[in-house]
Amino acid sequence: AQTVTQSQPEMSVQEAETVTLSCTYDTSESDYYLFWYKQPPSRQMILVIRQEAYKQQNATENRFSVNFQKAAKSFSLKISDSQLGDAAMYFCAYRFSENTGTASKLTFGTGTRLQVTL
Amino acid sequence: DTGVSQDPRHKITKRGQNVTFRCDPISEHNRLYWYRQTLGQGPEFLTYFQNEAQLEKSRLLSDRFSAERPKGSFSTLEIQRTEQGDSAMYLCASSLGQGALGETQYFGPGTRLLVL
Repeated sequence: AQTVTQSQPEMSVQEAETVTLSCTYDTSESDYYLFWYKQPPSRQMILVIRQEAYKQQNATENRFSVNFQKAAKSFSLKISDSQLGDAAMYFCAYRFSENTGTASKLTFGTGTRLQVTL
Repeated sequence: DTGVSQDPRHKITKRGQNVTFRCDPISEHNRLYWYRQTLGQGPEFLTYFQNEAQLEKSRLLSDRFSAERPKGSFSTLEIQRTEQGDSAMYLCASSLGQGALGETQYFGPGTRLLVL
């Protein structure tokens, strides 16, 4: 079974600084997708960034970027120029690629709570 | 596009009662997912629909749980004879289901269930 591990329960970063959240996963598949979702307190989960496993180039979305190391099964999220609004729970998630024909469910890690301080 | 909506947002019930939650996906999204999230954990997959067909159910979905998606639009999740262990946030998500970008799942705000 696929597993996703986030080893940092909590992280803290000062406003305008950079922080990296770690994620590792275990799978025997070669084609899959990886996601980072953000869940602010009492608000709904929103997609931050996604990565297709067949792409070697790391995904970027404005201040958010990933370091995808397929061989190491590592998928970290870097947040640059942190803002107060970045404070939230961040979840790393994995899903099979559509081509495998299996359910497209997401498998989540346990999350990292990010605090942003002034 | 108004996003995924869920109703109710909060539900308090007594053990043994039945509860039903509703999810309205983003229009034209043919895939709909239910997840359960307990405190301090990531969401766990319960079941998913492609149009009106329920294609997979997790082992977490005991016989007391039933989900439907009539006509492939909104979905309902019913829990019969609730137990205190059912207390959790129930999340609904939907996706377009076409192509790589279409597999991104968009989440609703969730229904928080408390069983007393």
